[in-house]
Amino acid sequence: QLQLQESGPGLVKPSETLSLTCTVSGGSISSSSYYWGWIRQPPGKGLEWIGSIYYSGSTYYNPSLKSRVTISVDTSKNQFSLKLSSVTAADTAVYYCARLIVVVPAVDMGFDPWGQGTLVTVSS
Amino acid sequence: SYELTQPPSVSVSPGQTARITCSGDALPKQYAYWYQQKPGQAPVLVIYKDSERPSGIPERFSGSSSGTTVTLTISGVQAEDEADYYCQSADSSGTPHVVFGGGTKLTVL
Repeated sequence: QLQLQESGPGLVKPSETLSLTCTVSGGSISSSSYYWGWIRQPPGKGLEWIGSIYYSGSTYYNPSLKSRVTISVDTSKNQFSLKLSSVTAADTAVYYCARLIVVVPAVDMGFDPWGQGTLVTVSS
Repeated sequence: SYELTQPPSVSVSPGQTARITCSGDALPKQYAYWYQQKPGQAPVLVIYKDSERPSGIPERFSGSSSGTTVTLTISGVQAEDEADYYCQSADSSGTPHVVFGGGTKLTVL
């Protein structure tokens, strides 16, 4: 059974870089059928896609965050990571990692399963 | 930017049928996915490819599509179905970018 687990600091100072890692267990991150994604949810608000990565390193980012986001993959550790630079209080959110099942790119794709999420607070 | 539109809230009595809609101009050409999120928990996939149900999801959950609107239907709603529900699809750009609807709070009266 595939499981994902987010890890990283729960508190980040304004203007600094948020860094999170997602560890995948029970399956290989190098599977050709899947991408891997980051999604966030500010307190009391809805879900926002941050970006996705393929095991080869190909990345896709939300245009609204693209200038500040970097997603990378480490297949040797079965992990993928998120870096979000120049954070502000508006970046305070629960951050989820999830497997993105891509049947037909840009037509048929969705997330399953999800990690439990980790709350990151941006505050001095 | 491309948007998926959901009603903010839907209310239904136990045993009745709840219908949650999601509208988007590109939905006739793309499949929608639905997620259930209970307080303090991660989202769970309940419908994929507009109308397919993952294993382990109760049969009372179903999905349908008509034109630019997809609908999540919960038949015989139970108290445990009270949750936020989100639709998700690819955006309209032709790239594998993801977009979520704003979410619908289902209240079981």
